Amino acid sequence: DSGVTQTPKHLITATGQRVTLRCSPRSGDLSVYWYQQSLDQGLQFLIQYYNGEERAKGNILERFSAQQFPDLHSELNLSSLELGDSALYFCASSVGRGGGQNIQYFGAGTRLSVL
Amino acid sequence: GQQVMQIPQYQHVQEGEDFTTYCNSSTTLSNIQWYKQRPGGHPVFLIQLVKSGEVKKQKRLTFQFGEAKKNSSLHITATQTTDVGTYFCAGHVSGSRLTFGEGTQLTVNP
Repeated sequence: DSGVTQTPKHLITATGQRVTLRCSPRSGDLSVYWYQQSLDQGLQFLIQYYNGEERAKGNILERFSAQQFPDLHSELNLSSLELGDSALYFCASSVGRGGGQNIQYFGAGTRLSVL
Repeated sequence: GQQVMQIPQYQHVQEGEDFTTYCNSSTTLSNIQWYKQRPGGHPVFLIQLVKSGEVKKQKRLTFQFGEAKKNSSLHITATQTTDVGTYFCAGHVSGSRLTFGEGTQLTVNP
């Protein structure tokens, strides 16, 4: 158990809908990262938050947004969903800002299916 | 931007054979990490290399960091079915974020 909690584990929805994925980082970790992994693909970095502030941005679509709350949990909002958004979404956390030698601890992921 | 290339993308071996995956960066890295993702699972940290030319071993796994700190490799000796999964390298450039390679998916035939 990595200590990172993601909910829900599975999500099935229709095109055009909006969903929210939730992540609770490990106790003491201030950074949260979101990744998208399509079938048999690598980890596409979406966005990172550190202590409530956006720290780094990757290939995140404008239809997607995220935030980190004062209690350090994070939410990833996906709107106007398309079939191609079906993927596994991972959250990871680390102690520091993301540089240096910070190890990332991954949650079990949320599998999103857009029908 | 920083890129981390990993080869091969797929590798199929017979149980008992050796396996190697390679990671190359376009820029000098401060450090490199390796992660393993089992089928249906999530990436799990394996090891971190920091020094030029560093070699670390974990049982049958040997990790190397190149002298120029632009490449790394993971070698598994005598693969077992438990080694199945995708191995990711992740490189860090000073002042930037950790960048994951595309991963090498290893299958082991018993």
